[in-house]
Amino acid sequence: GAVVSQHPSWVICKSGTSVKIECRSLDFQATTMFWYRQFPKQSLMLMATSNEGSKATYEQGVEKDKFLINHASLTLSTLTVTSAHPEDSSFYICSAKFADVEQFFGPGTRLTVL
Amino acid sequence: GQNIDQPTEMTATEGAIVQINCTYQTSGFNGLFWYQQHAGEAPTFLSYNVLDGLEEKGRFSSFLSRSKGYSYLLLKELQMKDSASYLCAVMDSNYQLIWGAGTKLIIKP
Repeated sequence: GAVVSQHPSWVICKSGTSVKIECRSLDFQATTMFWYRQFPKQSLMLMATSNEGSKATYEQGVEKDKFLINHASLTLSTLTVTSAHPEDSSFYICSAKFADVEQFFGPGTRLTVL
Repeated sequence: GQNIDQPTEMTATEGAIVQINCTYQTSGFNGLFWYQQHAGEAPTFLSYNVLDGLEEKGRFSSFLSRSKGYSYLLLKELQMKDSASYLCAVMDSNYQLIWGAGTKLIIKP
């Protein structure tokens, strides 16, 4: 299957700082990428849908000014958590859509905010 | 509204067979996916059904009945490494994935 990478795999930061997470589709062009958040023992929660060259579409309850998404190319999308707080600590996962059907997931980024 | 239902947790014995059910109500249907997720890791793709019937892939099979809004994932010859959460997701008319909460499968020796 197609490969999606995420960087970093894990990050620890102080409260109030910003963290950028990269999501790359390595062997295919992804017109659409998705950002999910998953708290312990809970299912995936879609945060936003990112289309290359346009603004991301955020799900209800997700603050667009806090979670900045940039999808500058067909192989790269970034999520920046601005002014992170301990409640933002979570597992962030991106996925890239291939051929209108299947989504391939990145390995995830575990964010811990102290 | 859109809804995906699957059991929260199931327990099975190593070497046995287990069936994980998923029922759905969505606006449109463009296929149903099953993903496996081990603790602390991202989901990995298991199967995709868009037509009624059974799709077999090694020890794993997935069944779909669109008229009943129902699917199941069948795992045979269970191994300890199959202990994981299994996520059912339906792609709606906008090609957006609607996720179930996942079924945690516990395998006992």
